[in-house]
Amino acid sequence: DTEVTQTPKHLVMGMTNKKSLKCEQHMGHRAMYWYKQKAKKPPELMFVYSYEKLSINESVPSRFSPECPNSSLLNLHLHALQPEDSALYLCASSRVLAGGITDTQYFGPGTRLTVL
Amino acid sequence: DQQVKQNSPSLSVQEGRISILNCDYTNSMFDYFLWYKKYPAEGPTFLISISSIKDKNEDGRFTVFLNKSAKHLSLHIVPSQPGDSAVYFCAAHRGNNNDMRFGAGTRLTVKP
Repeated sequence: DTEVTQTPKHLVMGMTNKKSLKCEQHMGHRAMYWYKQKAKKPPELMFVYSYEKLSINESVPSRFSPECPNSSLLNLHLHALQPEDSALYLCASSRVLAGGITDTQYFGPGTRLTVL
Repeated sequence: DQQVKQNSPSLSVQEGRISILNCDYTNSMFDYFLWYKKYPAEGPTFLISISSIKDKNEDGRFTVFLNKSAKHLSLHIVPSQPGDSAVYFCAAHRGNNNDMRFGAGTRLTVKP
Protein backbone atom coordinates (compact mmCIF):
# COMPACT_ATOMS: atom_id res chain seq x y z
CA ASP A 1 0.00 0.00 0.00
CA THR A 2 1.58 3.25 -1.13
CA GLU A 3 -1.39 5.48 -0.50
CA VAL A 4 -1.20 9.03 0.73
CA THR A 5 -4.57 10.70 1.17
CA GLN A 6 -5.31 14.39 1.14
CA THR A 7 -8.42 16.35 2.07
CA PRO A 8 -10.16 18.32 0.81
CA LYS A 9 -9.74 17.65 -2.88
CA HIS A 10 -10.76 21.19 -3.77
CA LEU A 11 -10.84 24.33 -1.61
CA VAL A 12 -11.97 27.83 -2.42
CA MET A 13 -11.25 30.49 0.17
CA GLY A 14 -11.26 34.23 0.58
CA MET A 15 -8.20 36.21 1.58
CA THR A 16 -9.50 36.64 5.13
CA ASN A 17 -10.37 33.00 5.71
CA LYS A 18 -8.53 30.45 7.82
CA LYS A 19 -8.50 26.91 6.48
CA SER A 20 -6.44 23.75 6.82
CA LEU A 21 -5.24 21.09 4.41
CA LYS A 22 -4.86 17.57 5.73
CA CYS A 23 -2.62 14.69 4.70
CA GLU A 24 -2.52 11.16 6.03
CA GLN A 25 -0.42 8.07 5.39
CA HIS A 26 -0.33 4.67 7.07
CA MET A 27 2.83 3.29 5.52
CA GLY A 28 4.92 3.93 8.61
CA HIS A 29 6.85 6.65 6.82
CA ARG A 30 8.62 9.05 9.16
CA ALA A 31 9.26 11.86 6.66
CA MET A 32 6.41 13.94 5.29
CA TYR A 33 6.49 16.81 2.83
CA TRP A 34 4.40 19.70 1.50
CA TYR A 35 4.87 20.83 -2.08
CA LYS A 36 3.21 23.59 -4.08
CA GLN A 37 2.63 23.16 -7.80
CA LYS A 38 1.51 25.92 -10.14
CA ALA A 39 0.12 25.12 -13.57
CA LYS A 40 2.70 23.79 -16.02
CA LYS A 41 5.45 24.02 -13.41
CA PRO A 42 7.21 21.33 -11.38
CA PRO A 43 6.34 20.76 -7.71
CA GLU A 44 8.23 23.10 -5.39
CA LEU A 45 9.20 21.93 -1.93
CA MET A 46 7.71 23.94 0.94
CA PHE A 47 8.27 21.99 4.15
CA VAL A 48 9.79 18.71 5.30
CA TYR A 49 9.06 16.93 8.56
CA SER A 50 11.31 14.15 9.77
CA TYR A 51 10.22 12.22 12.85
CA GLU A 52 7.52 14.83 13.44
CA LYS A 53 10.06 17.65 13.58
CA LEU A 54 10.32 20.39 10.98
CA SER A 55 13.61 19.86 9.19
CA ILE A 56 13.25 22.06 6.12
CA ASN A 57 11.33 25.29 5.60
CA GLU A 58 12.01 26.60 2.13
CA SER A 59 11.50 30.28 3.00
CA VAL A 60 7.75 29.92 2.86
CA PRO A 61 5.66 32.95 3.97
CA SER A 62 4.24 32.73 7.49
CA ARG A 63 0.68 32.68 6.13
CA PHE A 64 1.42 28.97 5.57
CA SER A 65 1.85 27.12 8.86
CA PRO A 66 2.63 23.39 8.86
CA GLU A 67 1.86 21.01 11.69
CA CYS A 68 2.72 17.36 12.22
CA PRO A 69 0.57 16.14 15.13
CA ASN A 70 1.76 12.54 14.80
CA SER A 71 3.70 10.27 12.49
CA SER A 72 0.70 9.63 10.21
CA LEU A 73 -0.72 13.12 9.87
CA LEU A 74 0.46 16.35 8.32
CA ASN A 75 -1.53 19.56 8.24
CA LEU A 76 -1.02 22.85 6.45
CA HIS A 77 -2.82 25.77 8.08
CA LEU A 78 -3.68 28.66 5.79
CA HIS A 79 -4.40 32.23 6.85
CA ALA A 80 -4.63 35.50 4.96
CA LEU A 81 -3.62 33.96 1.66
CA GLN A 82 -3.21 35.88 -1.55
CA PRO A 83 -4.69 35.03 -4.98
CA GLU A 84 -1.19 34.10 -6.19
CA ASP A 85 -1.19 31.29 -3.61
CA SER A 86 -3.75 29.47 -5.74
CA ALA A 87 -2.12 26.19 -6.75
CA LEU A 88 -2.17 22.42 -6.31
CA TYR A 89 -0.80 21.54 -2.87
CA LEU A 90 0.79 18.12 -2.74
CA CYS A 91 1.68 16.04 0.26
CA ALA A 92 4.26 13.27 0.10
CA SER A 93 5.81 10.80 2.50
CA SER A 94 8.88 8.59 2.54
CA ARG A 95 10.83 6.21 4.70
CA VAL A 96 13.78 7.47 6.68
CA LEU A 97 16.66 5.02 6.35
CA ALA A 98 19.77 4.54 8.42
CA GLY A 99 21.77 7.70 8.77
CA GLY A 100 18.70 9.86 8.24
CA ILE A 101 18.69 9.28 4.49
CA THR A 102 15.22 9.57 3.00
CA ASP A 103 13.85 7.12 0.46
CA THR A 104 11.43 7.38 -2.48
CA GLN A 105 8.65 9.90 -1.92
CA TYR A 106 5.05 8.87 -2.52
CA PHE A 107 2.57 11.60 -3.30
CA GLY A 108 -1.06 12.18 -2.49
CA PRO A 109 -3.56 13.37 -5.10
CA GLY A 110 -3.25 16.98 -4.00
CA THR A 111 -5.63 19.73 -2.91
CA ARG A 112 -6.58 22.24 -5.59
CA LEU A 113 -6.66 25.58 -3.75
CA THR A 114 -8.25 28.71 -5.18
CA VAL A 115 -7.88 31.99 -3.30
CA LEU A 116 -10.38 34.65 -4.29
CA ASP B 1 18.12 27.73 -9.55
CA GLN B 2 17.32 24.97 -11.99
CA GLN B 3 19.39 22.07 -10.77
CA VAL B 4 17.32 19.57 -12.75
CA LYS B 5 16.41 20.30 -16.34
CA GLN B 6 14.09 18.67 -18.81
CA ASN B 7 14.67 20.60 -22.00
CA SER B 8 11.88 19.02 -24.04
CA PRO B 9 8.49 20.29 -22.88
CA SER B 10 6.69 17.78 -25.07
CA LEU B 11 7.19 14.55 -26.98
CA SER B 12 4.87 12.74 -29.37
CA VAL B 13 5.36 9.08 -30.20
CA GLN B 14 3.42 6.46 -32.14
CA GLU B 15 1.98 3.54 -30.21
CA GLY B 16 4.37 0.60 -30.11
CA ARG B 17 7.48 2.70 -30.66
CA ILE B 18 10.07 3.74 -28.10
CA SER B 19 9.68 6.91 -26.02
CA ILE B 20 12.88 8.49 -24.75
CA LEU B 21 12.64 11.24 -22.16
CA ASN B 22 15.76 13.10 -21.17
CA CYS B 23 16.90 14.88 -18.03
CA ASP B 24 20.08 16.77 -17.10
CA TYR B 25 21.27 17.84 -13.68
CA THR B 26 23.95 20.16 -12.44
CA ASN B 27 24.54 19.17 -8.83
CA SER B 28 27.01 16.29 -8.47
CA MET B 29 25.81 15.76 -4.89
CA PHE B 30 22.57 14.17 -6.08
CA ASP B 31 22.72 10.47 -5.28
CA TYR B 32 19.33 9.14 -6.28
CA PHE B 33 17.20 9.86 -9.32
CA LEU B 34 13.53 9.21 -9.91
CA TRP B 35 10.93 9.47 -12.61
CA TYR B 36 7.37 10.38 -11.75
CA LYS B 37 4.34 10.27 -14.01
CA LYS B 38 1.55 12.78 -13.54
CA TYR B 39 -1.97 12.95 -14.90
CA PRO B 40 -3.91 16.24 -14.74
CA ALA B 41 -5.40 17.05 -11.32
CA GLU B 42 -3.56 14.12 -9.70
CA GLY B 43 -0.41 13.84 -7.63
CA PRO B 44 2.80 12.49 -9.19
CA THR B 45 3.02 8.70 -9.27
CA PHE B 46 6.41 7.12 -8.68
CA LEU B 47 7.55 5.19 -11.73
CA ILE B 48 11.17 4.09 -11.45
CA SER B 49 14.39 5.16 -9.75
CA ILE B 50 18.12 4.68 -10.00
CA SER B 51 20.91 5.06 -7.51
CA SER B 52 24.01 7.01 -8.49
CA ILE B 53 26.09 3.85 -8.13
CA LYS B 54 24.25 2.21 -11.03
CA ASP B 55 23.97 3.07 -14.71
CA LYS B 56 20.80 1.21 -15.59
CA ASN B 57 17.61 0.06 -13.92
CA GLU B 58 14.84 -1.81 -15.69
CA ASP B 59 11.24 -2.46 -14.67
CA GLY B 60 9.03 -3.99 -17.32
CA ARG B 61 8.59 -1.56 -20.18
CA PHE B 62 10.50 1.18 -18.33
CA THR B 63 14.28 1.53 -18.24
CA VAL B 64 16.23 4.39 -16.72
CA PHE B 65 19.80 5.05 -17.80
CA LEU B 66 22.24 7.21 -15.83
CA ASN B 67 25.40 8.77 -17.23
CA LYS B 68 27.11 10.34 -14.23
CA SER B 69 29.99 11.85 -16.15
CA ALA B 70 27.53 13.70 -18.38
CA LYS B 71 25.10 14.36 -15.51
CA HIS B 72 22.37 12.98 -17.70
CA LEU B 73 19.62 10.45 -17.29
CA SER B 74 16.96 9.15 -19.60
CA LEU B 75 13.77 7.15 -19.35
CA HIS B 76 12.99 4.65 -22.09
CA ILE B 77 9.47 3.32 -22.51
CA VAL B 78 9.11 0.46 -24.94
CA PRO B 79 6.68 -0.33 -26.38
CA SER B 80 4.82 2.92 -25.76
CA GLN B 81 1.09 2.70 -25.10
CA PRO B 82 -1.63 5.38 -25.29
CA GLY B 83 -2.10 5.02 -21.51
CA ASP B 84 1.47 6.27 -21.07
CA SER B 85 0.34 9.72 -22.19
CA ALA B 86 1.04 12.01 -19.21
CA VAL B 87 3.56 14.51 -17.92
CA TYR B 88 6.81 12.89 -16.82
CA PHE B 89 8.93 14.57 -14.15
CA CYS B 90 12.54 13.78 -13.53
CA ALA B 91 13.61 14.28 -9.91
CA ALA B 92 16.99 14.23 -8.20
CA HIS B 93 17.51 13.56 -4.56
CA ARG B 94 20.16 14.19 -1.95
CA GLY B 95 19.19 11.62 0.61
CA ASN B 96 21.08 13.07 3.51
CA ASN B 97 19.20 16.35 3.56
CA ASN B 98 15.64 15.30 2.68
CA ASP B 99 15.82 17.40 -0.47
CA MET B 100 14.39 16.51 -3.87
CA ARG B 101 14.37 18.73 -6.94
CA PHE B 102 12.10 18.31 -9.91
CA GLY B 103 12.61 19.07 -13.57
CA ALA B 104 10.00 21.10 -15.42
CA GLY B 105 8.38 18.00 -16.89
CA THR B 106 7.89 16.56 -20.38
CA ARG B 107 4.41 15.96 -21.73
CA LEU B 108 4.37 12.62 -23.53
CA THR B 109 1.62 11.91 -26.04
CA VAL B 110 1.39 8.38 -27.41
CA LYS B 111 -0.78 8.26 -30.51
CA PRO B 112 -2.75 5.12 -31.37
